[in-house]
Amino acid sequence: KNQVEQSPQSLIILEGKNCTLQCNYTVSPFSNLRWYKQDTGRGPVSLTIMTFSENTKSNGRYTATLDADTKQSSLHITASQLSDSASYICVVSSGVTGGGNKLTFGTGTQLKVEL
Amino acid sequence: DTEVTQTPKHLVMGMTNKKSLKCEQHMGHRAMYWYKQKAKKPPELMFVYSYEKLSINESVPSRFSPECPNSSLLNLHLHALQPEDSALYLCASSQDPGQQYQPQHFGDGTRLSIL
Repeated sequence: KNQVEQSPQSLIILEGKNCTLQCNYTVSPFSNLRWYKQDTGRGPVSLTIMTFSENTKSNGRYTATLDADTKQSSLHITASQLSDSASYICVVSSGVTGGGNKLTFGTGTQLKVEL
Repeated sequence: DTEVTQTPKHLVMGMTNKKSLKCEQHMGHRAMYWYKQKAKKPPELMFVYSYEKLSINESVPSRFSPECPNSSLLNLHLHALQPEDSALYLCASSQDPGQQYQPQHFGDGTRLSIL
């Protein structure tokens, strides 16, 4: 069964600090790994997409890494801001099956940034 | 603002009612998706439309009936729902159903409550 596990489940940090969120997956076949940010009451927003050949990808203060051998990914947030408070969801794609991407979602890490 | 628009934002209905959720995108995307998301859980895929044709149905009960009248619109018709169907219903789209590396763009969802 395809699974995506994230840790920690929740995290509280002070504004301006850095943090790293973890994602482990057992998904086959593997096509690509995505990180989404979901604000409370909003839909998820794509942060990064990485294929198996990409080790790192950045989007502003967000940097994602991928180790396809160990099936692990991380999302590093630099100089956190209050607006970073959200759920961060790791999503693994098995590619296109029957039309449209088939995605396996992690349960997310709830991040809260405080003053 | 999200480029995928969902209406209504909130819906309260009785178990005998018939209602519809609407999703609209004008990005020229040809894959559209319905997801169900319970509180503090990741989204669960319900349906995928590829070039306006239903390509994936994740064994969703028949009380949920999807419809794709054209390439910009996706509806979800609801009838005789159960209290456990109360959730956030998310619509998403991606550009090309045959492409694996494109992000899905999500709407902000319809918060559905079944009385």
